[in-house]
Amino acid sequence: RKEVEQDPGPFNVPEGATVAFNCTYSNSASQSFFWYRQDCRKEPKLLMSVYSSGNEDGRFTAQLNRASQYISLLIRDSKLSDSATYLCVVKTGTGGFKTIFGAGTRLFVKA
Amino acid sequence: DTGVSQDPRHKITKRGQNVTFRCDPISEHNRLYWYRQTLGQGPEFLTYFQNEAQLEKSRLLSDRFSAERPKGSFSTLEIQRTEQGDSAMYLCASSLPRGLAGTYEQYFGPGTRLTVT
Repeated sequence: RKEVEQDPGPFNVPEGATVAFNCTYSNSASQSFFWYRQDCRKEPKLLMSVYSSGNEDGRFTAQLNRASQYISLLIRDSKLSDSATYLCVVKTGTGGFKTIFGAGTRLFVKA
Repeated sequence: DTGVSQDPRHKITKRGQNVTFRCDPISEHNRLYWYRQTLGQGPEFLTYFQNEAQLEKSRLLSDRFSAERPKGSFSTLEIQRTEQGDSAMYLCASSLPRGLAGTYEQYFGPGTRLTVT
């Protein structure tokens, strides 16, 4: 079993749709959680951190469920520019340096 | 540009040759990471530095791979006797020891794309 698992997609949605991605992790000692966005042939960029209480940044909402060991990302009112691969990231280890990326979920938003 | 920079951006080499990549982190970041990414996969952790100390090395990193960060600033990743399976994007990232709310955000460079023929 992979340490971090994501549905690879692709998710094809129309503009304005709401789309949700889930990610599961296997290490219950994991400490920090993030969503990164990666455009084709570009480097990953931090989208948002994921806090235990859940957090929102504009159209994006992230949730963490430690009991079930999953993380979610909700995108509301999808834009064409949201088309990208969304990477779930989990950190463990003393100081949180061991960083495990999921394989990513591809999103295509169409007009 | 005050972000993470990597050089070269592209490298094509013949099997058996040695290659070296450089990463310059964001200046105030004392943590530096190397990752490898292949098509359709997320970045895979290779190694990690805190200042000049290499604190962790993945089992993915064979003896042909070595990384250094001699003065705690820039880092180099060397691959000796390259193999076709080494073809990938090599990404460098840096971070502060602790970010907002105790998290450790990493900021990535543009990567070096290696092709071994």
